[in-house]
Amino acid sequence: EDQVTQSPEALRLQEGESSSLNCSYTVSGLRGLFWYRQDPGKGPEFLFTLYSAGEEKEKERLKATLTKKESFLHITAPKPEDSATYLCAPSGGNQGGKLIFGQGTELSVKP
Amino acid sequence: EAGVTQFPSHSVIEKGQTVTLRCDPISGHDNLYWYRRVMGKEIKFLLHFVKESKQDESGMPNNRFLAERTGGTYSTLKVQPAELEDSGVYFCASSQVGTGNTEAFFGQGTRLTVV
Repeated sequence: EDQVTQSPEALRLQEGESSSLNCSYTVSGLRGLFWYRQDPGKGPEFLFTLYSAGEEKEKERLKATLTKKESFLHITAPKPEDSATYLCAPSGGNQGGKLIFGQGTELSVKP
Repeated sequence: EAGVTQFPSHSVIEKGQTVTLRCDPISGHDNLYWYRRVMGKEIKFLLHFVKESKQDESGMPNNRFLAERTGGTYSTLKVQPAELEDSGVYFCASSQVGTGNTEAFFGQGTRLTVV
């Protein structure tokens, strides 16, 4: 059965304190792994797609990496505006693009 | 370019009533998905349209839920009759042709409360 586990569930950081979020997944025939950011009361906002192990993508203070079993979202020198829930969602083979979401990591960055 | 639009943003109905949620995808996106997040749980897949055809409805909870996509454009999700456990946030997402490796863009969601 396809499964996605994100850790930690919640993370509190001081501004400038770098850290990483983890996404462990078991998905048959991975087609892509997607990272989204979600702010309260809004829909998920697309950040990255990773397709194969070893791939990395960066956007501002965020860098996403992928292995065969995990993905990491590294946050370098975060700012308060990075506070949000970060969602990991792989998509498996023959599933038509259906996303399997983890519970998310709620990130809070204090000034 | 307009994003995915959902209407209404909030709906409060009584148990046993009917509610219809609407989603307007990004223009030109053939794939349209419905997802739901119930309190304390992860976002879960409900169903997938390719144009006007249902590609996968394996996530639909039961036959009280009916989804349609008229002419391959906007989609509606009807819940009839609504039950308390149907409360949650319903998200719609759309993506371009090709499945599995194209990013999906989400609407802001419809928060449904059944009392």
